[in-house]
Amino acid sequence: GAGVSQTPSNKVTEKGKYVELRCDPISGHTALYWYRQSLGQGPEFLIYFQGTGAADDSGLPNDRFFAVRPEGSVSTLKIQRTERGDSAMYLCASSSPLAGGEQFFGPGTRLTVL
Amino acid sequence: LAKTTQPISMDSYEGQEVNITCSHNNIATNDYITWYQQFPSQGPRFIIQGYKTKVTNEVASLFIPADRKSSTLSLPRVSLSDTAVYYCLGANAGNMLTFGGGTRLMVKP
Repeated sequence: GAGVSQTPSNKVTEKGKYVELRCDPISGHTALYWYRQSLGQGPEFLIYFQGTGAADDSGLPNDRFFAVRPEGSVSTLKIQRTERGDSAMYLCASSSPLAGGEQFFGPGTRLTVL
Repeated sequence: LAKTTQPISMDSYEGQEVNITCSHNNIATNDYITWYQQFPSQGPRFIIQGYKTKVTNEVASLFIPADRKSSTLSLPRVSLSDTAVYYCLGANAGNMLTFGGGTRLMVKP
C-alpha cells in the first residue's frame, strides 16, 4: 500500500518568505508527527497530532512555526518569515495503534532558505 | 526523556556480523527499545523493537539484558546496502520519538 508522502521534495526560498510543507499520511493512521533534521544529526520532534488536534506541540521552536490537520488526514507545516537557520530536512511520520504503533516516515522535504 | 549513547561510527566488511551497542541507563519502564535505520535523503525506517531478552526478525536481532540499561542490535552478514545510520531510542506507542546522533555504519567490499 502507499506509504507516507511529502510535497514538495525540495523547497528553496528566500529569507523572510512564507512556506508550506505538506504531508499525506498512510490512510487510516490517526497519529501524525512532524520532525526536523539538520545535516549530521538525528531527527528532532516538532509536533504531534492525534486526529485533528495537536496533542503535543512542545517541539515547535517558536511562533513562526505552525501546523494544521483540519480533517484528521493531510497535515501542513507552515513557516512564516523564514530564516536561514530553518534550512533542514522536514520529516513527517504517521502511526496507528492498530498497526503496532510503529511510526512510518515519509521521504521528507528538504527546505533551503537563502 | 531517556538519553541514549551509541558509537558515532563503525566500519565493517561485507559478509560480517555487525553488533551495535547502545546505552540507555534511564529508559522509562513502559518504553520499548527501538531501532531505526536511515539512508541518505530518506526518512528513518523501523528495524526492530523489544522490551526484554532477545527479539529476532528477518532483518536483525536485538539483545536486551534484564536491567534494560543497554541493548545490542545485531545485523547478520551485512552487505553494502546496509550502509546507513542506525538509531537506538526508547519508544512508547503514540509518543514522539527522541533520536540521538545515531551510529554511521559503513560496509566495505
